[in-house]
Amino acid sequence: NAGVTQTPKFQVLKTGQSMTLQCAQDMNHNSMYWYRQDPGMGLRLIYYSASEGTTDKGEVPNGYNVSRLNKREFSLRLESAAPSQTSVYFCASSDRGWPDGYTFGSGTRLTVV
Amino acid sequence: QKEVEQNSGPLSVPEGAIASLNCTYSDRGSQSFFWYRQYSGKSPELIMFIYSNGDKEDGRFTAQLNKASQYVSLLIRDSQPSDSATYLCAVNPPSYGKLTFGQGTILTVHP
Repeated sequence: NAGVTQTPKFQVLKTGQSMTLQCAQDMNHNSMYWYRQDPGMGLRLIYYSASEGTTDKGEVPNGYNVSRLNKREFSLRLESAAPSQTSVYFCASSDRGWPDGYTFGSGTRLTVV
Repeated sequence: QKEVEQNSGPLSVPEGAIASLNCTYSDRGSQSFFWYRQYSGKSPELIMFIYSNGDKEDGRFTAQLNKASQYVSLLIRDSQPSDSATYLCAVNPPSYGKLTFGQGTILTVHP
């Protein structure tokens, strides 16, 4: 039972480079989310997808784009990385009914130099 | 005012003591409340959720909710060194529909 799988686990980018963070879940969840976590700031929502075919901005969407490829997969793209995007990124998924909150992936530690 | 605010910590308690973690939220219409534990370098894992006013117990953990005071807490009884982690409070405000997290409280349980 894999749950939520994120790739890569670590990445170093140069300023201006682009990359895509991948996320896949095997729990048949409808909703998927991308959060970033910075020291002392908790988890902040970047984008979410309430269901297949829909995406919406969260609290900190600037500099990011997302694609809900199908029900299982939700990717996060940085088009032109900036040092301010150095963070730990978590993907999560949930069922609509909220009985169990979110299930998180293992995270991607991204450094932009 | 932050939507979800936790006591700043870090919190240090001796082994066997009760650890008390507190969280306040600003949206009075919030319906569901979650506590996550996050070990250093790991992802958050859900340990408790509560929807109704009062207490909810699960083993050594008790979540307490007071909607009138917009306050939710987590008590850890008989604290163990393995409880040392960051604890995140999360709230589901109806106006937003997604979980909003507090900044986390670092708990250290020393032998």
